[in-house]
Amino acid sequence: DVKVTQSSRYLVKRTGEKVFLECVQDMDHENMFWYRQDPGLGLRLIYFSYDVKMKEKGDIPEGYSVSREKKERFSLILESASTNQTSMYLCASRPTLAGGANEQFFGPGTRLTVL
Amino acid sequence: AQSVAQPEDQVNVAEGNPLTVKCTYSVSGNPYLFWYVQYPNRGLQFLLKYITGDNLVKGSYGFEAEFNKSQTSFHLKKPSALVSDSALYFCAVRVYNFNKFSFGSGTKLNVKP
Repeated sequence: DVKVTQSSRYLVKRTGEKVFLECVQDMDHENMFWYRQDPGLGLRLIYFSYDVKMKEKGDIPEGYSVSREKKERFSLILESASTNQTSMYLCASRPTLAGGANEQFFGPGTRLTVL
Repeated sequence: AQSVAQPEDQVNVAEGNPLTVKCTYSVSGNPYLFWYVQYPNRGLQFLLKYITGDNLVKGSYGFEAEFNKSQTSFHLKKPSALVSDSALYFCAVRVYNFNKFSFGSGTKLNVKP
C-alpha cells in the first residue's frame, strides 16, 4: 500500500514563527502536493511539485514556500506564521504513469493552530 | 480553467435507503473525475474515478458514480446506505495532461439508523 506520512498530526505555533510541515511518501511518486482544507472551502492547492527541485504555485501560494530536495520528501514552509494560516494541511502524492489518470494518495493531515 | 461544484453542504439519509451525493464540473477538455471520502481527523481516501468508457463507474465500499457529459455531472450513488458511510465526500476534476486537481467544497453525508 502507498503510504504518505506527515510529520505531525497537531501543531500549535505562535504568530511570526517559521513553521515546517514535512511530508514523506514511500512509493517513488513523481508528483507531490500541498493543500489546505477549511470548512466550506474544500481543498485548496498551495503548491505542487512534479520532480525533485521543481515546484509550481497552486491557487493560494501567498505566505507559503516549499522545498523538494529528495523525491520522497516535500516540505511546506510558513515563513512567518499568521493566524489566518490556522487550518488543516494535507499532503498528497501521485505517480506519473502512462495514460495519466492516476488518483492522488493523501496523508493523514496536520492540524495547525497559529496563536 | 476547471472547477467543481458540490451543491449540497449536507445530505441526510436513513440507513438502508439509496443515497446520492451531487457533483457538477466545468472544464476545457476531457475530464478525469474522482470521488474521495474523508472520515473525521483523517486524510482523504480514494473511492472511484472516471477516465473514459462506461458512464457508470463502480468503486470501493459499494459506491458507484454516473458520468453525464451533457449535464456535466458526476453524482456519487449507493443503493443502500450504511451508518458507517457517514463522512465527508469530495468530488475532484483534472484535465488530461494537466497536473492540477480541483476539488469541490465537500458534502457531509449523515446516515441515520
